Amino acid sequence: AQKVTQAQTEISVVEKEDVTLDCVYETRDTTYYLFWYKQPPSGELVFLIRRNSFDEQNEISGRYSWNFQKSTSSFNFTITASQVVDSAVYFCALSVLTQGGSEKLVFGKGTKLTVNP
Amino acid sequence: GAVVSQHPSRVICKSGTSVKIECRSLDFQATTMFWYRQFPKQSLMLMATSNEGSKATYEQGVEKDKFLINHASLTLSTLTVTSAHPEDSSFYICSALTGRSYEQYFGPGTRLTVT
Repeated sequence: AQKVTQAQTEISVVEKEDVTLDCVYETRDTTYYLFWYKQPPSGELVFLIRRNSFDEQNEISGRYSWNFQKSTSSFNFTITASQVVDSAVYFCALSVLTQGGSEKLVFGKGTKLTVNP
Repeated sequence: GAVVSQHPSRVICKSGTSVKIECRSLDFQATTMFWYRQFPKQSLMLMATSNEGSKATYEQGVEKDKFLINHASLTLSTLTVTSAHPEDSSFYICSALTGRSYEQYFGPGTRLTVT
């Protein structure tokens, strides 16, 4: 089965704390992509990162960092020094190759992050 | 670049009527567009994949006669919810692929309420 599991349904932190959002995936594909999206209360999905399955280097972008561990099929997302504006639902997603040859995204259930002042 | 718009952003309709939602790629040609549905506090579920000039491919469990998808041009795909019922109330989101990358660009979503 191709699926994405985000075990944390909701997380609440106080501003300036670091927080890690977990993502575990299952896939039978040897080549795939993993994504993280942010969905603020407005509803629009904001693309954060795309990671190729062959690239296991960790990535840092400002206060955001991602840890891709192929051995444990995990792609965790850490926000350092969280801010109130980080409050949103965060989705992890996996690209899946369809029979028609195109790719579609399978999303996890999302983690709602609330950063309190 | 890579902006996707949806219209309308919100719509309220009466049970039994049909509603059309438009998804447009504003500054690129979208070879493939996707339609998702998101129920409150839930994840995005892919409904169908739409390729320009061909019939849409629907996910298992999605009624193609109820959710009509037309991808008439490289910049426009439409989703028509026919004979809408209250259980069709949801947040509908489209996304588009440029054909040059694997990144899907998402529209802002359309909130449908069926009364």
